[in-house]
Amino acid sequence: DGGITQSPKYLFRKEGQNVTLSCEQNLNHDAMYWYRQDPGQGLRLIYYSQIVNDFQKGDIAEGYSVSREKKESFPLTVTSAQKNPTAFYLCASTPTSGGYTDTQYFGPGTRLTVL
Amino acid sequence: GEDVEQSLFLSVREGDSSVINCTYTDSSSTYLYWYKQEPGAGLQLLTYIFSNMDMKQDQRLTVLLNKKDKHLSLRIADTQTGDSAIYFCAESIGGATNKLIFGTGTLLAVQP
Repeated sequence: DGGITQSPKYLFRKEGQNVTLSCEQNLNHDAMYWYRQDPGQGLRLIYYSQIVNDFQKGDIAEGYSVSREKKESFPLTVTSAQKNPTAFYLCASTPTSGGYTDTQYFGPGTRLTVL
Repeated sequence: GEDVEQSLFLSVREGDSSVINCTYTDSSSTYLYWYKQEPGAGLQLLTYIFSNMDMKQDQRLTVLLNKKDKHLSLRIADTQTGDSAIYFCAESIGGATNKLIFGTGTLLAVQP
């Protein structure tokens, strides 16, 4: 089955540690996105990538880093510089890198808790 | 800047119709979307509407768009307990990428 997978589903880390969240898609989509979701707020865009080896900052990129070495993979690293990392993180992808008709498809999410 | 607002909570009885409302600010929005999120899960696309349309119907779902007032609504007919979830509206803000601005989400609680 085609889709987007995120792992792990739940992640715990100690304050001051970096942690990497996985996002993989087998939909052959060009563009991939990372969002953060906090209670009572909508999704906020962290980073996005339209093509392999290229990515752009979203609205809240500080304290995060990404890479896009393969089309199907877009891992997100939450660094110790992120001041409030506890949140639900969602990965999404779209078939092409531009155009208004592209719909974003979401993975199941990873819930990160900093202890 | 762009902003999308929704009411936080809606409670209905099973079998009734639900109407979830959304207002947005970016008049250049071309597509508007409705997503559903069940507890602990990702977002599932329900439907979308192009900005030159007033209405779109898909089975139990009806989307109404008032572009003049920048108001979007989602009507769910014959609401079922399985419809209980958080519903997000989102607008496509244009440009070279399909960036979406999401509302805060509306929690729909369906009472049996």
